[in-house]
Amino acid sequence: GAVVSQHPSWVICKSGTSVKIECRSLDFQATTMFWYRQFPKQSLMLMATSNEGSKATYEQGVEKDKFLINHASLTLSTLTVTSAHPEDSSFYICSAMGQARGYTFGSGTRLTVV
Amino acid sequence: RKEVEQDPGPFNVPEGATVAFNCTYSNSASQSFFWYRQDCRKEPKLLMSVYSSGNEDGRFTAQLNRASQYISLLIRDSKLSDSATYLCVVNNNDMRFGAGTRLTVKP
Repeated sequence: GAVVSQHPSWVICKSGTSVKIECRSLDFQATTMFWYRQFPKQSLMLMATSNEGSKATYEQGVEKDKFLINHASLTLSTLTVTSAHPEDSSFYICSAMGQARGYTFGSGTRLTVV
Repeated sequence: RKEVEQDPGPFNVPEGATVAFNCTYSNSASQSFFWYRQDCRKEPKLLMSVYSSGNEDGRFTAQLNRASQYISLLIRDSKLSDSATYLCVVNNNDMRFGAGTRLTVKP
């Protein structure tokens, strides 16, 4: 079946540093990838939608200069949290959509900013 | 109004019980509908799609009412392993999640 690899699984970083999260579709080409964020006991909130080779579309309230998304190939999208602060601590998860495959989620990245 | 609304629960039921979850959505143009299951600190996993005619997968039955913009999930003969958060998901070119309904099945 369709597999999406996301790493790192967890990361602890100091306030002010940047963190890059990778999302790879292993056995299919993902035309569209979605990035979500989930705070404790809350739902997954869509942050942005990225299509290969074009700029990401960000949801209202999500700072595009803080959450940099790059979807340079059909199998890789990255989310970089720049100048991370403790309030950015959350569970970040990607989802990839390939033709006729529906949506497949990565295993998520738990970010803790100290 | 939230795009997808669910009763957050928690639902605490004994093994063998039947439990039903409801979900409403605001966008009448939504194209497809799903129930996902999310275990603590894990990614959501697809439980089942929801079709207008209603569909069943073992102990799980999903229903969709487009006129009322309402989706339901029925779990019969609950197992301990059914304990999780159940997410209602509505797709209209991107997936929108409800806040989830937490279910705990007790011995």
